[in-house]
Order: sequence, then C-alpha cells, then structure tokens
Amino acid sequence: DAGITQSPRHKVTETGTPVTLRCHQTENHRYMYWYRQDPGHGLRLIHYSYGVKDTDKGEVSDGYSVSRSKTEDFLLTLESATSSQTSVYFCAISESGQGAIYGYTFGSGTRLTVV
Amino acid sequence: EDQVTQSPEALRLQEGESSSLNCSYTVSGLRGLFWYRQDPGKGPEFLFTLYSAGEEKEKERLKATLTKKESFLHITAPKPEDSATYLCAVRGFSGSRLTFGEGTQLTVNP
Repeated sequence: DAGITQSPRHKVTETGTPVTLRCHQTENHRYMYWYRQDPGHGLRLIHYSYGVKDTDKGEVSDGYSVSRSKTEDFLLTLESATSSQTSVYFCAISESGQGAIYGYTFGSGTRLTVV
Repeated sequence: EDQVTQSPEALRLQEGESSSLNCSYTVSGLRGLFWYRQDPGKGPEFLFTLYSAGEEKEKERLKATLTKKESFLHITAPKPEDSATYLCAVRGFSGSRLTFGEGTQLTVNP
C-alpha cells in the first residue's frame, strides 16, 4: 500500500523466541497502530502510538511491546512468541487523533506462524 | 463497551443482483461509522465514514446508509470485481480506537 510498508510479509518462528515486526510509513502521519486479525475475532487493536516515544495499549496488548523512536517507524515485538500469537498483523496510520474520522490507511499485513 | 455485528457472514450474488450488507452497532455516543473493503492477502481499504443518522454516501456501485442502530452497505448491480470482505467499524466518544466487526465475505459470480 502506498506510503506504508510492513516487513516481513511472512514469518515462521518457534515458540519462546522473540519476534519483531516493522511498520514503515512515508506519509509523516502522527498516529500509528498495530492490529491483529483472526477468524472469529475480526481486527483487534494491540498497541498504538500518538507520537515519537508516545505509545499506549490496545485491547489485546498482553505479550506484546512496541517502540517508536522515529516518526516513520513503529515496531511490534512479541517478547516470547506463543502459538496463540499466530495471526495476521496489520499496521495502520492516520493523520491525527481525529484521524479515525478520516479513515485509517492499512499496510498489507504480516502473516506470522508460531510453531 | 462498543460492539459491532455484521450480517450475513457470507453472501453469494450473481452479477447484477443487488443486495445489502448489515452492520448493527452499540456505542456510547457515535463519533463515526466506517466501512472498509478487504481483498485476500491485503489490508483493509477505507471506503466511507458516516457521522449521523440519516446520512448517506456513495461510491460507484456502493451506497452506505446510517440509522441510530445500524448501517447498510447497498451494492447495486454488482460485478465480480466487487468480491471482497467488507468490514464495518465504529468509534465512540468514550474512546479513540475503532471497534471492528468480523466482516461480510461477498462473492459475485459472473
């Protein structure tokens, strides 16, 4: 998707290992979000950021941490991956806190499998 | 707690056969209701935002409407390229995040 890139696109990892997913944007948007999407649950917010070094928890934050040292990069870390964290992870950006009103722009997703 | 329920879970249409998707919601003061389209292997793509009951928005063969309890996404004379999962989300006054429904998977056969 234009202006937002997620890496890697696919990853298989072993239970207990740390994993970091990266979201990079070129839109200079202030707000960035990490979601996971699972059958039967839809999209659920993990963490979000409202500025450099400013982050907050979403509804499913246990087992995840985030960091944002630059406007353009938002990292999601699974501290010790578990099989329940097998999912598709999406990053999204928005221009402002009211940005939800204008709609988020989503990345193409990272498919993570924990074995 | 904000809640969004979409129905049906899946819908198969013939090309040209118009229909509607439903999004029922409960929210503590609606700040916006959003429709997204998601193609397989891709992230959701923003379609519409509706702010208040009675509002309507259109884009090509899609028209979204809003009441105080639900929103409909009307698809007029659909084409196979309209096949996708359509997601509904709400934002209430009590929070800054979006709450998403599970989506309706639409398939349009030629």
